[in-house]
Amino acid sequence: NAGVTQTPKFQVLKTGQSMTLQCAQDMNHEYMSWYRQDPGMGLRLIHYSVGAGITDQGEVPNGYNVSRSTTEDFPLRLLSAAPSQTSVYFCASSPRLYTGELFFGEGSRLTVL
Amino acid sequence: SQQGEEDPQALSIQEGENATMNCSYKTSINNLQWYRQNSGRGLVHLILIRSNEREKHSGRLRVTLDTSKKSSSLLITASRAADTASYFCATGGGSNYKLTFGKGTLLTVNP
Repeated sequence: NAGVTQTPKFQVLKTGQSMTLQCAQDMNHEYMSWYRQDPGMGLRLIHYSVGAGITDQGEVPNGYNVSRSTTEDFPLRLLSAAPSQTSVYFCASSPRLYTGELFFGEGSRLTVL
Repeated sequence: SQQGEEDPQALSIQEGENATMNCSYKTSINNLQWYRQNSGRGLVHLILIRSNEREKHSGRLRVTLDTSKKSSSLLITASRAADTASYFCATGGGSNYKLTFGKGTLLTVNP
């Protein structure tokens, strides 16, 4: 099993550009989520999904959109990138809906100039 | 906002010694989890302890939970250089789908 796969691993954007971070899992997990990790801030939840067609906001959702059309995929869209969105982004999934253990991808490092 | 806060922020020990990290949290929880993150990698789940449990073991890991003090500790016995990583606690409560992470403890195990 590949687990949770994130692409791209690295990306550089200019302010105002848009892009999509891809996340796919092959474990048939209902729960998927996106976190961002910044130095000294730990991990902060951006958006999460409890199943196909269902998404909700986390702690820091502004500037990001998500959708969940299939169980496997949970893309994160940056609509108009800002330097404050420079971060490492992690996708994670769980076999249990109620705060079960998370399986993380390897991360996508994004720099916005 | 962060629910869990790890202490200390950084810890440096010699191989073979024990390492203890602490986590404090503010509101009631359903469970508390510990994760490890090697430099430049994703987080890896280590252990989950439920609110009605007081202690749990997994290999060289021992986790305790004191809900009256809203705190948990992670003990790694007989540390190895390969244990060098950041360790995070994460908390979730009741019907909450959200798992909230602390800022982590950076553990360095010197050979």
